[in-house]
Amino acid sequence: AQSVTQLDSQVPVFEEAPVELRCNYSSSVSVYLFWYVQYPNQGLQLLLKYLSGSTLVKGINGFEAEFNKSQTSFHLRKPSVHISDTAEYFCAVSGSGNTGKLIFGQGTTLQVKP
Amino acid sequence: GAGVSQSPSNKVTEKGKDVELRCDPISGHTALYWYRQSLGQGLEFLIYFQGNSAPDKSGLPSDRFSAERTGGSVSTLTIQRTQQEDSAVYLCASSRTGTEQFFGPGTRLTVL
Repeated sequence: AQSVTQLDSQVPVFEEAPVELRCNYSSSVSVYLFWYVQYPNQGLQLLLKYLSGSTLVKGINGFEAEFNKSQTSFHLRKPSVHISDTAEYFCAVSGSGNTGKLIFGQGTTLQVKP
Repeated sequence: GAGVSQSPSNKVTEKGKDVELRCDPISGHTALYWYRQSLGQGLEFLIYFQGNSAPDKSGLPSDRFSAERTGGSVSTLTIQRTQQEDSAVYLCASSRTGTEQFFGPGTRLTVL
């Protein structure tokens, strides 16, 4: 079984500042890792994913994440945020050998202030 | 191309009534998933369909919940005898490969 912990429920940050949203996972098998973003009243949109290979993954809208197997982490970063990045962010995991069903963290609300 | 669509976008029902939620996946996607998003429980997996295989129902919270997928395309999630704790946003996703899921906008269910 897998589980995901997002360490911060809310992250306030000023526009143009860097941000890191933290995610730790637990699994007894190899995993795939994902970050999704949800804008108000919308569905989930994939930001980036780690399946294998390079541990630094680049996604859309300038976001990137680094897979750290020893620390079982997959933190999301952006060097300079915009007001439009205000949204809820979900970290998710699926077992690499199974159906692809996703186990989500509780979400982190990123609040970008002017 | 068209994304995943869900209907209705909002549904208000009375406790004890049955409801049906519909999902139209992206054409050609063989995998289809249902999730539930609620304030208390976050995002939870409900059920998974892959082609003609038996569905993975391991996430369904009770036997009041059921789902079917006709012709390998459209799926319907049915909740019988709705309860207030069923109030949530129900999200559908589809996938061609299993490693990237595309989500619909969801159906917001309110049980009075």
